Amino acid sequence: GAGVSQSPRYKVAKRGQDVALRCDPISGHVSLFWYQQALGQGPEFLTYFQNEAQLDKSGLPSDRFFAERPEGSVSTLKIQRTQQEDSAVYLCASSLVRKNSPLHFGNGTRLTVT
Amino acid sequence: DAKTTQPTSMDCAEGRAANLPCNHSTISGNEYVYWYRQIHSQGPQYIIHGLKNNETNEMASLIITEDRKSSTLILPHATLRDTAVYYCIVRVRDGSNSGYALNFGKGTSLLVTP
Repeated sequence: GAGVSQSPRYKVAKRGQDVALRCDPISGHVSLFWYQQALGQGPEFLTYFQNEAQLDKSGLPSDRFFAERPEGSVSTLKIQRTQQEDSAVYLCASSLVRKNSPLHFGNGTRLTVT
Repeated sequence: DAKTTQPTSMDCAEGRAANLPCNHSTISGNEYVYWYRQIHSQGPQYIIHGLKNNETNEMASLIITEDRKSSTLILPHATLRDTAVYYCIVRVRDGSNSGYALNFGKGTSLLVTP
């Protein structure tokens, strides 16, 4: 079946621009996660949704980062007034809500801020 | 979550078994050991997980020591396509509002050579 789909695959933004990154999770997956991966590093947790509720946003690096999942399916990660340090791969993952259900990741959006 | 320690890099000859070690000496009783891998330009891929018993699936075997302070991921017949970064992660069994989010470290970069 279809996996987690992310778009766009690549995004180049000028410093100060706003960007929106989209994630289509696996159908039926209640849990949705966003991660940020800098070059040469492991993915870092940003935020977690259960259905439409954002239950954990402790990993968001600043108030310029905002995520939503209004209907409990597709999610959007928005970054306002992008800075060069926001350049990274942004990964989305989804899973069933039951404990020990593996996370399934998309291939990410590579954001480059110039 | 307990922290994990993995070697930075390893080599393995094609066709041989790849044994990837992981130390998690501070693991607690409610934490599972998960393994993911990440091939260049792709999202992390789930491999296997376990609590205290050894586990095997079509991709790999997971051997957990009796005291649970370390584990080994075994790829029985490594191929060139197994070249990737392998992450060992401990995950809380009884999750909270974090949705059982995974905390990645830097992983082990495995190079399979012809």
